[in-house]
Amino acid sequence: AQSVTQPDIHITVSEGASLELRCNYSYGATPYLFWYVQSPGQGLQLLLKYFSGDTLVQGIKGFEAEFKRSQSSFNLRKPSVHWSDAAEYFCAVGLMEYGNKLVFGAGTILRVKS
Amino acid sequence: GAVVSQHPSWVICKSGTSVKIECRSLDFQATTMFWYRQFPKQSLMLMATSNEGSKATYEQGVEKDKFLINHASLTLSTLTVTSAHPEDSSFYICSGTSNNEQFFGPGTRLTVL
Repeated sequence: AQSVTQPDIHITVSEGASLELRCNYSYGATPYLFWYVQSPGQGLQLLLKYFSGDTLVQGIKGFEAEFKRSQSSFNLRKPSVHWSDAAEYFCAVGLMEYGNKLVFGAGTILRVKS
Repeated sequence: GAVVSQHPSWVICKSGTSVKIECRSLDFQATTMFWYRQFPKQSLMLMATSNEGSKATYEQGVEKDKFLINHASLTLSTLTVTSAHPEDSSFYICSGTSNNEQFFGPGTRLTVL
């Protein structure tokens, strides 16, 4: 069955430090992969997506993610975190054969300390 | 990017009443819309897939008679929580698809007293 694992429930980083949020997926076909960010009480905003091509994907707000097929991973990175990045981050795999259904990971809450 | 709106953004109702939540794609046509439910500090759980002009497809464990979904046009899907109970209190989020990507609404916070 398709699944997404985000092993870190909470992560705390200092402002200005680098960030990496982990995401592993289980999916039989070539995955469509997404990272979303959610601020408290808000909907989801797409940070970036991978469909095909270059495995290093650039997104908004200075985020990037790298698709590694051999590791079934799609980790999100940012070189320098800002206090406004504090939010919850969700990794998701798109099931194109099921009408673009998304399977979400459990999410990682990012806290930024000054 | 494509914009999805939801109305209302929050609603409080009495137990036993029904509540309707609207999901609109404002600048694109969404043949397919999805409805999610999110409990506090948890991930999004897909409730159902809504296709314009046809019956919704519900995920396992979701009561279709409890959560009525109507997708009457390419820009509007509605979720009606019938005979709401406190355990239905949750954050409901919809999304519309365009070019293999889902665009999410801002969510509706439902509180059932």
